[in-house]
Amino acid sequence: DTEVTQTPKHLVMGMTNKKSLKCEQHMGHRAMYWYKQKAKKPPELMFVYSYEKLSINESVPSRFSPECPNSSLLNLHLHALQPEDSALYLCASSPLGRDARSGYTFGSGTRLTVV
Amino acid sequence: AQSVTQLGSHVSVSEGALVLLRCNYSSSVPPYLFWYVQYPNQGLQLLLKYTSAATLVKGINGFEAEFKKSETSFHLTKPSAHMSDAAEYFCAVSVFGNEKLTFGTGTRLTIIP
Repeated sequence: DTEVTQTPKHLVMGMTNKKSLKCEQHMGHRAMYWYKQKAKKPPELMFVYSYEKLSINESVPSRFSPECPNSSLLNLHLHALQPEDSALYLCASSPLGRDARSGYTFGSGTRLTVV
Repeated sequence: AQSVTQLGSHVSVSEGALVLLRCNYSSSVPPYLFWYVQYPNQGLQLLLKYTSAATLVKGINGFEAEFKKSETSFHLTKPSAHMSDAAEYFCAVSVFGNEKLTFGTGTRLTIIP
């Protein structure tokens, strides 16, 4: 299995809703990432988990809450979002250490619309 | 900190013509360099990577890139463009010991029939 699977593919939520994005990989990668991508822009790093522990938080607002239940799963919990949070949310995984040079594997993303 | 610069936010080439997308990097230590492609409403797919082995790297879909340390460049080329190559292309850099992958601003490639 060489894929990163993200669900759902599309999500519309109100500003008072609570929802979660899910990401799964079975490549044995020990690093997992959340990126946010606005239209016509490059992906922006949000969070990095290394060995299931949060290692990087790029000053993301607390309405985004990541969780890494195990080495294969990564969640992003969403609460009280704003319309400007509408974007494509990408999950990625990679090996750690020198093997990281093999590159990240990205999922197909969740298209989030906040209304 | 490492960074990449992509020259040209939009590139148009005729079908069958040479594709050249430019990427320059900045890094105080030997970099790992990547090219990713993104089709509309999809995730990113790895085209090719440089990891300090051969300087000329071949990737998928007929693309290749050459690492030139003296020019701090990692330009992406394809000898003959195909309509299916129309997409957004991102150059990215990371270094050993830092999980962060830093992207360039992207180049939108348009193929003219």
